[in-house]
Amino acid sequence: EAGVAQSPRYKIIEKRQSVAFWCNPISGHATLYWYQQILGQGPKLLIQFQNNGVVDDSQLPKDRFSAERLKGVDSTLKIQPAKLEDSAVYLCASSALWGGNTIYFGEGSWLTVV
Amino acid sequence: AQSVTQLDSHVSVSEGTPVLLRCNYSSSYSPSLFWYVQHPNKGLQLLLKYTSAATLVKGINGFEAEFKKSETSFHLTKPSAHMSDAAEYFCVVTLYSSASKIIFGSGTRLSIRP
Repeated sequence: EAGVAQSPRYKIIEKRQSVAFWCNPISGHATLYWYQQILGQGPKLLIQFQNNGVVDDSQLPKDRFSAERLKGVDSTLKIQPAKLEDSAVYLCASSALWGGNTIYFGEGSWLTVV
Repeated sequence: AQSVTQLDSHVSVSEGTPVLLRCNYSSSYSPSLFWYVQHPNKGLQLLLKYTSAATLVKGINGFEAEFKKSETSFHLTKPSAHMSDAAEYFCVVTLYSSASKIIFGSGTRLSIRP
């Protein structure tokens, strides 16, 4: 079974530029998460989708971050304009709707804003 | 309300000696509990999970954890540490019936001395 796929793995941009990350969850997983993990800290939930609807985006900085999951499968997270403090790993994860709710993580997209 | 407390931010053990990473939780409902491991520059990998079946859970790479409801604990153990176990470990709690509430512990960094 293929895992959660993310791209690009690494990105370096200047502040005020934009960046987009893509995620393809495990096949059949209804729930998709985007987490931000700053170096030395635990993951922080940015947004959670159930199919193509948003369940929780309370910690998403909506003035600069946006995310979509139009067909209930893959998802895109965008940052525009980027700030220095956005330097982090962006982790995508997915889980089935039921069944113990194990969350499976991708390898992450590493963003450096200079 | 749910919460997770990882009691040690850093644990250092010698290779070949036992490992104990401590996790206490608070949940008003029947929780699912997970341990994830994160090696440097990698995503989070599931080590093991507890979902109200056997209280002693065996995971990958020789790790196991015991759910103790009376102590509200879910400590992670391994009889003999290996150099490759050096990583960050996260304890996670979710409600069994819903993936909408996921709480990460702050993480424990495990170092292995030769």
